[in-house]
Amino acid sequence: NAGVTQTPKFQVLKTGQSMTLQCAQDMNHEYMSWYRQDPGMGLRLIHYSVGAGITDQGEVPNGYNVSRSTTEDFPLRLLSAAPSQTSVYFCASSFRDTLTEAFFGQGTRLTVV
Amino acid sequence: KQEVTQIPAALSVPEGENLVLNCSFTDSAIYNLQWFRQDPGKGLTSLLLIQSSQREQTSGRLNASLDKSSGRSTLYIAASQPGDSATYLCAVKPRNNNDMRFGAGTRLTVKP
Repeated sequence: NAGVTQTPKFQVLKTGQSMTLQCAQDMNHEYMSWYRQDPGMGLRLIHYSVGAGITDQGEVPNGYNVSRSTTEDFPLRLLSAAPSQTSVYFCASSFRDTLTEAFFGQGTRLTVV
Repeated sequence: KQEVTQIPAALSVPEGENLVLNCSFTDSAIYNLQWFRQDPGKGLTSLLLIQSSQREQTSGRLNASLDKSSGRSTLYIAASQPGDSATYLCAVKPRNNNDMRFGAGTRLTVKP
C-alpha cells in the first residue's frame, strides 16, 4: 500500500521561482490537506479539500495555491517563493474530513535561498 | 482561536520506565483529539484517535485519555523502549472549522 506519496522529498528554490509540490493518495480518501512544519511551532494548515473540485484556505494560505481535479491528487503550488516559505511540507488525507484517522506523507523539505 | 500546548518540549527516560506526555487545549468544543508519532525526517503516524464522546483509547502499550472539560489529554506509555524514541504530537479538531490544530510536540528519548 502506497498510502500518501509526496514528491519531491527535497527541493532548493531561488527567491521568486515557482514550483509545485505533488501529493497523491491511493486510499480513496475524500479529505486532503497541506501543512507546513516549522521549528517550535507545530504543524499549521495551509489549504485543504473535502472532495474533488472543492478547496478552502487554512491558517496560513498566503503565497500558496491548490487545486483538486481528482480524488487522488492534491498539488500545492508556490507562486513566487520567498525565504519565509522555507519549511517542511506535509500532505495528509483522511476518509472524511478530520473526523477519522489522518494519514501523512513523508514530507518535502523546501529551502528558499 | 484554539491553542494546543505540549509540555515538556523534551523528555529523557531510562528504558522500562512508564511515562506520561501531556497535551492541553484552550477550547473544549472539539470533535476529536489525535496523538501522532514523528520520527526524525519522517512523516506523522497516527497512534490513537479519541472522539469527543470518549474518555480514553488504548493500543498495545499506549493509552490516551481525554478530559474535554478541563482541556487536557495524556498519552501514557508503559514499559518504554528505545524504539519509542520520537517526537509525539497531539492535535485537536475544533467544532467550528476544518483546521486540525497541532501542538509543537514532545521529543522523547528512551535510553537503553
